[in-house]
Formats: sequence, C-alpha cells, structure tokens
Amino acid sequence: DAKTTQPPSMDCAEGRAANLPCNHSTISGNEYVYWYRQIHSQGPQYIIHGLKNNETNEMASLIITEDRKSSTLILPHATLRDTAVYYCIALSSNDYKLSFGAGTTVTVRA
Amino acid sequence: DAGITQSPRHKVTETGTPVTLRCHQTENHRYMYWYRQDPGHGLRLIHYSYGVKDTDKGEVSDGYSVSRSKTEDFLLTLESATSSQTSVYFCAISDRVNATNEKLFFGSGTQLSVL
Repeated sequence: DAKTTQPPSMDCAEGRAANLPCNHSTISGNEYVYWYRQIHSQGPQYIIHGLKNNETNEMASLIITEDRKSSTLILPHATLRDTAVYYCIALSSNDYKLSFGAGTTVTVRA
Repeated sequence: DAGITQSPRHKVTETGTPVTLRCHQTENHRYMYWYRQDPGHGLRLIHYSYGVKDTDKGEVSDGYSVSRSKTEDFLLTLESATSSQTSVYFCAISDRVNATNEKLFFGSGTQLSVL
C-alpha cells in the first residue's frame, strides 16, 4: 500500500472548518483513501473513504485531487469533540489490512 | 455502535505468565483483527482472521498467537508475557464484502501491563 504523509499536528478554531491534508504521491489506481480518527484512549473510528471522486457523509467531506496524489479531509464545523488523532490510510483493493501511521493530532480550540 | 466486547478491560500480570485476551462480536462479521498501540508507534497489526480457523500474521506477530473457533470470538494469547508486550490492545471487526468498503469497527481496548 502507498505511504501517506500527514502533518504531525494542527490547531483549528471551534465552529470553523478544519482542513486536514494528506499526501499519497505513490498511490496506485486500485488504492482507496481512508480516514479514521481516534479520540483519546478510545478505539479508532471510521470517518470516510474514497477512490477518486469527492465524498461527503454526515461527519466530513473528502476531497481527492484529480491526480490522486493528495487529499483533504474537511470537518465543516469543528467542535471540541473533534479533537483527536486523524489517520489517512491508503488501502489496496486486494488487501484488507489497514496500516495506521502517526496521523495528525488535531486540537480544536474554543 | 458495533457490538464488540473486549475482555478484560484492564490486566496486570507478571513476566513469564500466559495471558489471553478475548474479543467477542455480535455482528457476525467475517474479519477480525488484533492491534496494539504504543506511544510513538501508532496502531500496529498483530494478527487477523478472515474466517473461522483462518488466521494470518500481521506486522508484529512474534510472541503472540490467536485462535478463532467460532465467528464471534477471536482470542489473542501471549504464551509467556514480557514487559515489551505492555500495551493497549484493540480488537476490530469488518464485514468487508469487497474492496470498496473496508470499514473497521474497533472495541474499547484492553490495557495490559506486564511487570
């Protein structure tokens, strides 16, 4: 699976959109981009995933660039409860073992 | 929330003793996973199962064994616990139908301390 690169940390203001970048320049055509988050001491939680089209659900939006080398997870209205570590993962269609890297520690401030 | 129960939630044991952690699911999902999480390492896959009696190794399987005799239970055993196995252990399940939908649901974790 392709390696992903995320900033180690970022802050955002409560009520504002949080834009979390992820670089996956070596991603192949059959690899999906998955986002999970882990709130302190809890198990990770699935957020969203996509292949090449932008995706939106009740939690977030996923914007994937046309060349698929990077993506952005958007939390439209960040709340204090969104403070967590966010993981961007590339997963091949013929694999099913998610590998979690260090992720981005997002701190939402009032 | 997905029906996943990990037991025990906390355990303290001594070096050299055997330890078994249990993951129980009520979702009838085919895939089950054991991860460990340590500061500075993120989550690392220990073992996984893709069906009853079908298991395979992950990236950090040394010192661990697993068993899955029925769909709902996935056991992780430390045959002889060492201090390096002190960690938080997470079980996860997935009903992966095809490549487009690998959503993992995680349990609440087991904090294991090996003294």
